[in-house]
Amino acid sequence: DAGVIQSPRHEVTEMGQEVTLRCKPISGHDYLFWYRQTMMRGLELLIYFNNNVPIDDSGMPEDRFSAKMPNASFSTLKIQPSEPRDSAVYFCASRSGLAKNIQYFGAGTRLSVL
Amino acid sequence: EDQVTQSPEALRLQEGESSSLNCSYTVSGLRGLFWYRQDPGKGPEFLFTLYSAGEEKEKERLKATLTKKESFLHITAPKPEDSATYLCAVQASNTGKLIFGQGTTLQVKP
Repeated sequence: DAGVIQSPRHEVTEMGQEVTLRCKPISGHDYLFWYRQTMMRGLELLIYFNNNVPIDDSGMPEDRFSAKMPNASFSTLKIQPSEPRDSAVYFCASRSGLAKNIQYFGAGTRLSVL
Repeated sequence: EDQVTQSPEALRLQEGESSSLNCSYTVSGLRGLFWYRQDPGKGPEFLFTLYSAGEEKEKERLKATLTKKESFLHITAPKPEDSATYLCAVQASNTGKLIFGQGTTLQVKP
């Protein structure tokens, strides 16, 4: 398996623009997680899905952030409008409900909002 | 509130110099404690899961142990390729999510 695939790897945008991050989980995995990593706050969970349904979005910082999972093989995290403080590395992870809760991470998207 | 604290923040070792990383946690019912390794520019990579106090897991030069309040990642005779950030995370029994610590950045010099 190719692992969790994220795109783009790097994104540079200007304040106020819409940003869409994409994730393809490992085939067969029924949980998908979106994280944000910064030097100050470390790795924080934003939202997670089970069988394409959002289960816990308590980590989503503001209404500017939204996430969707239209099918088992694709998810998006959207920021609209983006702000400089959104600059961070965003990770997607997936796991199988049968696999002892081990999450597998993608390589991340480095977002810079100017 | 579920919380994970890792120490030290950074650790420099000479090649072959053994040491330990600490992960202290408070959680309402531990479902599992996880150790990940993260290299610069990459996502965290799974190393170990521990489920109950007294449990130990080993992989090459790494050994993870668990008590009711903390976990240790012991590194025996480290090599430069062990240099990375090591992340600890806990999963509470009433949730499907992981709470991560801030990590320990390990540098092993030849």
